[in-house]
Amino acid sequence: GQNIDQPTEMTATEGAIVQINCTYQTSGFNGLFWYQQHAGEAPTFLSYNVLDGLEEKGRFSSFLSRSKGYSYLLLKELQMKDSASYLCAVSNSNYQLIWGAGTKLIIKP
Amino acid sequence: GAVVSQHPSRVICKSGTSVKIECRSLDFQATTMFWYRQFPKQSLMLMATSNEGSKATYEQGVEKDKFLINHASLTLSTLTVTSAHPEDSSFYICSAREGEPYEQYFGPGTRLTVT
Repeated sequence: GQNIDQPTEMTATEGAIVQINCTYQTSGFNGLFWYQQHAGEAPTFLSYNVLDGLEEKGRFSSFLSRSKGYSYLLLKELQMKDSASYLCAVSNSNYQLIWGAGTKLIIKP
Repeated sequence: GAVVSQHPSRVICKSGTSVKIECRSLDFQATTMFWYRQFPKQSLMLMATSNEGSKATYEQGVEKDKFLINHASLTLSTLTVTSAHPEDSSFYICSAREGEPYEQYFGPGTRLTVT
């Protein structure tokens, strides 16, 4: 089967750094996406990785290792507004998105 | 760019009636649109995938006669919940993709409450 695993919930402190991991097993691979979803709102696109390595975009970075079936989203200089769920999704060989259940990130002052 | 609108944002309807939700890609042509449902504190659940001009592909367990999807143009898809029941109350979200392997852009969602 196909599955995406990510932690259910994480807690971090304002100003700190947090890493949210995602492991996947899918039939084929055409890229991995990270989305942010605030409560009661639709997801917004954060990043896309298709090659191994680190992609940096401001305070957010995303890493991919295809051989390990592993990705992480790194959030630096955490702000209270970063409290949200972070969704990992993989595009398989049919370009179908397989979604993780999401990681709820709680930021404490 | 890459804006997707959804209408209405909230709707309350009585049990047994039908509700239509519209999803539009405002600044790009969406070859594929997706319809998701999300219950409180749960992840996104893909309901169906629709390509312009062809019939939608429904996920297992989703009743195609209950959730009618029409993708009449490259910028518009509609989801009609027919004979709605209270258990259909949920957050319905559409997304659109310009092509493969591009990212999906999400509409703001429609909160449906069936009384």
